[in-house]
Amino acid sequence: AQSVTQLGSHVSVSEGALVLLRCNYSSSVPPYLFWYVQYPNQGLQLLLKYTSAATLVKGINGFEAEFKKSETSFHLTKPSAHMSDAAEYFCAVSDFGQFYFGTGTSLTVIP
Amino acid sequence: GAVVSQHPSWVICKSGTSVKIECRSLDFQATTMFWYRQFPKQSLMLMATSNEGSKATYEQGVEKDKFLINHASLTLSTLTVTSAHPEDSSFYICSARDRGQGGTEAFFGQGTRLTVV
Repeated sequence: AQSVTQLGSHVSVSEGALVLLRCNYSSSVPPYLFWYVQYPNQGLQLLLKYTSAATLVKGINGFEAEFKKSETSFHLTKPSAHMSDAAEYFCAVSDFGQFYFGTGTSLTVIP
Repeated sequence: GAVVSQHPSWVICKSGTSVKIECRSLDFQATTMFWYRQFPKQSLMLMATSNEGSKATYEQGVEKDKFLINHASLTLSTLTVTSAHPEDSSFYICSARDRGQGGTEAFFGQGTRLTVV
């Protein structure tokens, strides 16, 4: 069975500070992992995905994530937070197209 | 490529009426489509999986007679919320699996916000 756990339902960072959103996965097969961002009243926007190629994945808007098999983690980072990064972030694992989402992390950026 | 179009993006309906939501894969064939539901401030939960030409598979707790899913072609799946009630108000998102890419991932529509008054 596939599942993801996002640690921290709310994260606050100062503008310009490092963003770190945590995600741990459980998968019986090599996982396909994703990070999505959702702005209020909008759909999902794909930030990045890991599909068994490079373990360090670069995404849009300066985000990146590192797949660590030994830690079963896929944490999302961004070196410098911007006000426009304030949103809900979802980590997900795909099992042949069926997605299992984490509970989400709400990111607040403090000016 | 890999565009999934969901329509309408928002809809308001009266209690007791039915609402149909369409999910189309615009540039690929989708043998499988998924329907998710998202309540406010919550995550997305899978409601059902539909395969082209066959009956949908519903997750536990989802009423199949209330949420009718039809997947009549390789590019279109529909979700009909029958006899809608205020508690059905939610954000519904579809996704489509591209069979041409080994079926390892799927692409999401923009979502439909349903408000039942």
